[in-house]
Amino acid sequence: QSALTQPASVSGSPGQSITISCTGTGSDIGSYHLVSWYQQHPGKAPKVIVYEVFNRLPGVSTRFSGSKSGYTASLTISGLQAEDEADYYCCSYGGSSTPVIFGGGTKLTVL
Amino acid sequence: QVTLTESGPALVKPTQTLKLTCTFSGFSLTTPKMCVSWIRQPPGKALEWLARIDWDDDKYYSTSLKSRLTISKDPSKNQVVLTVTNMDPVDTATYYCARIRCGGDPYYFDYWGQGTLVTVSS
Repeated sequence: QSALTQPASVSGSPGQSITISCTGTGSDIGSYHLVSWYQQHPGKAPKVIVYEVFNRLPGVSTRFSGSKSGYTASLTISGLQAEDEADYYCCSYGGSSTPVIFGGGTKLTVL
Repeated sequence: QVTLTESGPALVKPTQTLKLTCTFSGFSLTTPKMCVSWIRQPPGKALEWLARIDWDDDKYYSTSLKSRLTISKDPSKNQVVLTVTNMDPVDTATYYCARIRCGGDPYYFDYWGQGTLVTVSS
């Protein structure tokens, strides 16, 4: 099964909002609400920030929000801060034969 | 406190078999709905899911790599082992193990190891 489709890069200035999209198919995002988002800083392991489409982990800033429409999930970061500069990956359940599918990753640059 | 630690060779030759061990603490793989996955990341590239083993010994593999992967567990040692046969330079990557609760909701990787870089070169 192919990776979920994310833009390679997005950028924004401090204080602005950005949205990262994650497009799948009817076999993954379109069929399940089991979409999670991970933030990865250089040289570090990924860290989950949103799960089941829109649920934030305790301690994660309310500036991070998730949503889904059809085959596309989205992560919105509002009030951009320098510390948000990182790579972001979406992940979806793809059914019993493909329980995990990652997106291709998006590099967020805070200008 | 949940921790996972990957271990294995840093360098392997092409065609060799790679064996990686994930040693974890703070949970048991005999607990229902506990699962561990292996995920890799080539330098500068995206995450790629490889395999998952569940508390009940169910196993799942990446479709594209299934023929080369074997995942197993030793609950008494709190370890999960991944073997990858016929290694190639394109398999050069940081290999992570991560915990996931796999019985439905919630479903996400909540704890990750620090990763281990494996380079394939002659």
